[in-house]
Amino acid sequence: SQTIHQWPATLVQPVGSPLSLECTVEGTSNPNLYWYRQAAGRGLQLLFYSVGIGQISSEVPQNLSASRPQDRQFILSSKKLLLSDSGFYLCAWSVSFQETQYFGPGTRLLVL
Amino acid sequence: GNSVTQMEGPVTLSEEAFLTINCTYTATGYPSLFWYVQYPGEGLQLLLKATKADDKGSNKGFEATYRKETTSFHLEKGSVQVSDSAVYFCALSENTGGFKTIFGAGTRLFVKA
Repeated sequence: SQTIHQWPATLVQPVGSPLSLECTVEGTSNPNLYWYRQAAGRGLQLLFYSVGIGQISSEVPQNLSASRPQDRQFILSSKKLLLSDSGFYLCAWSVSFQETQYFGPGTRLLVL
Repeated sequence: GNSVTQMEGPVTLSEEAFLTINCTYTATGYPSLFWYVQYPGEGLQLLLKATKADDKGSNKGFEATYRKETTSFHLEKGSVQVSDSAVYFCALSENTGGFKTIFGAGTRLFVKA
């Protein structure tokens, strides 16, 4: 069966510090991968998606970036965090765009 | 462009009450429609889905029917439980030359014992 992992579960970082969140998927090959952000009490905002290694599409211009160094690994990064980057970050995968997305447990990021 | 509109929450119900959460959509093609549920502190998980008009998705007592004529996918449950308290997201996904998955804003449901 397929599983999706995210870490860390919780992160508290100062403004201006770098960020690296990791997501890995097991039990499937060549998945579509997604990063979402969910601000407190709000809906989901798609940040990035990837259809293959090294292929990243950005939905919202901001100080975040994403990389896919391996087929089942998706990394969200920032060189300098802003207060507005606080939120709940969710990674997801799907077989294709029109199929069900399977979400990881999320990373709660607080920027102080 | 595509969009998903959900009824605003929070929705507060007593246990065993009937639940309806409205969802309407706009899409250029023939999307698949989904309901996801998010329990406190967790990621989203699929609750049910429907891939074509008149399909009914169902799971755990929840149902939703894909109504193309009214562009709706309302979520219903006949008798809610305290454990159903969560945030519910309606979503559509369409692959017409590019990635188009849109989530609604979410509706928070509180069920009181």
